[in-house]
Amino acid sequence: DAGVTQSPTHLIKTRGQQVTLRCSPKSGHDTVSWYQQALGQGPQFIFQYYEEEERQRGNFPDRFSGHQYPNYSSELNVNALLLGDSALYLCASSLGPGSFNQPQHFGDGTRLSIL
Amino acid sequence: DQQVKQNSPSLSVQEGRISILNCDYTNSMFDYFLWYKKYPAEGPTFLISISSIKDKNEDGRFTVFLNKSAKHLSLHIVPSQPGDSAVYFCAASARGQGAQKLVFGQGTRLTINP
Repeated sequence: DAGVTQSPTHLIKTRGQQVTLRCSPKSGHDTVSWYQQALGQGPQFIFQYYEEEERQRGNFPDRFSGHQYPNYSSELNVNALLLGDSALYLCASSLGPGSFNQPQHFGDGTRLSIL
Repeated sequence: DQQVKQNSPSLSVQEGRISILNCDYTNSMFDYFLWYKKYPAEGPTFLISISSIKDKNEDGRFTVFLNKSAKHLSLHIVPSQPGDSAVYFCAASARGQGAQKLVFGQGTRLTINP
């Protein structure tokens, strides 16, 4: 049973560049959420995708955008990178955006460093 | 505005004893609570959850207690084992605000000493 997979594992970019992170959900899951975890903090919700549409969004600027494909995989795009975007980006999958009492399953994350 | 708080950044416990991790929340709309465990270089792993209609949920060595009036939950691990050394995150969500939108605490680093 394949769990949540994310690529790449690590990425180094410079300020002003753009980056795309990828996620494949756990088998059987159709909803993908993205979180940003800064050093020493808990994960913060960025947004959630279901049926190829953004369903919910946290307090992140429009520089953060995403996409979901028909096979449920997802991408997180960040434009005009800032030093403060350096963080671990986590993808989580679940079954249905409104499913209650269903824990999300997380990937191992992509470590993004901005120079 | 930190809606979920874990006030202890770290906790050290002797192997075999009980570990108690605490979490407080401020949003009265939260009705589902989870604990995740995270090892270095890995993503958070789901441990145990509780909905607001219960005050206790047990799974093996792990028990979560919920005190709604105090807006407080705790995770008990007994007996503690060296493999339990990790960072533990408390998380919460509200059905009316997006059941799958988790709000996390800052985490507590648990160290189990042999």
